[in-house]
Amino acid sequence: DVKVTQSSRYLVKRTGEKVFLECVQDMDHENMFWYRQDPGLGLRLIYFSYDVKMKEKGDIPEGYSVSREKKERFSLILESASTNQTSMYLCASSSPGGLRDTQYFGPGTRLTVL
Amino acid sequence: AQSVTQLDSQVPVFEEAPVELRCNYSSSVSVYLFWYVQYPNQGLQLLLKYLSGSTLVKGINGFEAEFNKSQTSFHLRKPSVHISDTAEYFCAVSDFGNEKLTFGTGTRLTIIP
Repeated sequence: DVKVTQSSRYLVKRTGEKVFLECVQDMDHENMFWYRQDPGLGLRLIYFSYDVKMKEKGDIPEGYSVSREKKERFSLILESASTNQTSMYLCASSSPGGLRDTQYFGPGTRLTVL
Repeated sequence: AQSVTQLDSQVPVFEEAPVELRCNYSSSVSVYLFWYVQYPNQGLQLLLKYLSGSTLVKGINGFEAEFNKSQTSFHLRKPSVHISDTAEYFCAVSDFGNEKLTFGTGTRLTIIP
């Protein structure tokens, strides 16, 4: 079974802090994705990566950056957290067939910024 | 750019009754279509997907969906729901050749005993 793990289920940070959200997948997938999920808005894509050191902006990249130094790990970085970044963050991965193959999701990290 | 509309934000259904969750999409090109389910306190998992071929797609847990190109719809159905189907359901679309998924806003399915 594909496993996508995220470093924390719940995280509480203060405004202005630098925040790292980590995601690891164990299926050698090329593609990895970061989404945020908000009530009434569904999932919105922040960033995605086709390969190590490759990244592309999604629909809402402002205030976020990403890092992919190893194939299995994709990190989301909030350089200076703000209260409007309080949300559920979901990581996903998929194989090189792109969307012809399923995106597998982690359990999510619920981030609260005070 | 594509978009997805899930017309119902919440759907209450009695146990063992049928259910239909509606999804409409807009896109200028051919699409792939997906339904994902999110159980409480979990990530999303794939229920079913339409890539090509037969317009009736069967998924896990007894769900099925029908792709209707003329109505740009991909409604999800189950003939008899169970308490364990309580979850949030997301419809998603992608254009051919585009790696990105666009999700709808979700429908929360509540099963009434």
